Amino acid sequence: DAGITQSPRYKITETGRQVTLMCHQTWSHSYMFWYRQDLGHGLRLIYYSAAADITDKGEVPDGYVVSRSKTENFPLTLESATRSQTSVYFCASTWRGNYNEQFFGPGTRLTVL
Amino acid sequence: TQLLEQSPQFLSIQEGENLTVYCNSSSVFSSLQWYRQEPGEGPVLLVTVVTGGEVKKLKRLTFQFGDARKDSSLHITAAQPGDTGLYLCAGAKTYNTDKLIFGTGTRLQVFP
Repeated sequence: DAGITQSPRYKITETGRQVTLMCHQTWSHSYMFWYRQDLGHGLRLIYYSAAADITDKGEVPDGYVVSRSKTENFPLTLESATRSQTSVYFCASTWRGNYNEQFFGPGTRLTVL
Repeated sequence: TQLLEQSPQFLSIQEGENLTVYCNSSSVFSSLQWYRQEPGEGPVLLVTVVTGGEVKKLKRLTFQFGDARKDSSLHITAAQPGDTGLYLCAGAKTYNTDKLIFGTGTRLQVFP
């Protein structure tokens, strides 16, 4: 299917466990982003990537790791999950230009117990 | 620090009413976007405004970018239940910036 997909859609894990959230896009967009969404905060940028093998920190990167070996994939790893990382996570992508219109995946709801 | 503040945070209205959502900042933005997000889905772009004072209309939705490019508003005329959702503004500090800064969001509920 064309577009941007995220998996899993729902995840429950325990404190201290490692969790990886997957993001895949079929448009060959250069830019990809990871956000978390919490009530009262809107969307906050965790990490972003301008191209394969190029990543940079966003507003709230602590506790997260990303990689981008292929243009179409941008996984987000929580190395040791904490309860404060309970949130809804969104992946997005865009090509440069066009005033940075971003296309979002459906989100992953993560609960850390 | 939240650079884009939206108000109100929550809004519940009856079908047919008009409403305005505000997005304010002390910073200047090169462009500003409005997204709508429905439950269980990611945000979807509604409009992009790039010129100070610009007004764009999308059916019953009217978007305005402030003259100084520090604020924006979204006005909905004769709201319908299908307008229910979370409205997010997002600004780009420069034309070629890599990132968007998202506002705090306004959750709108329109009752039949």
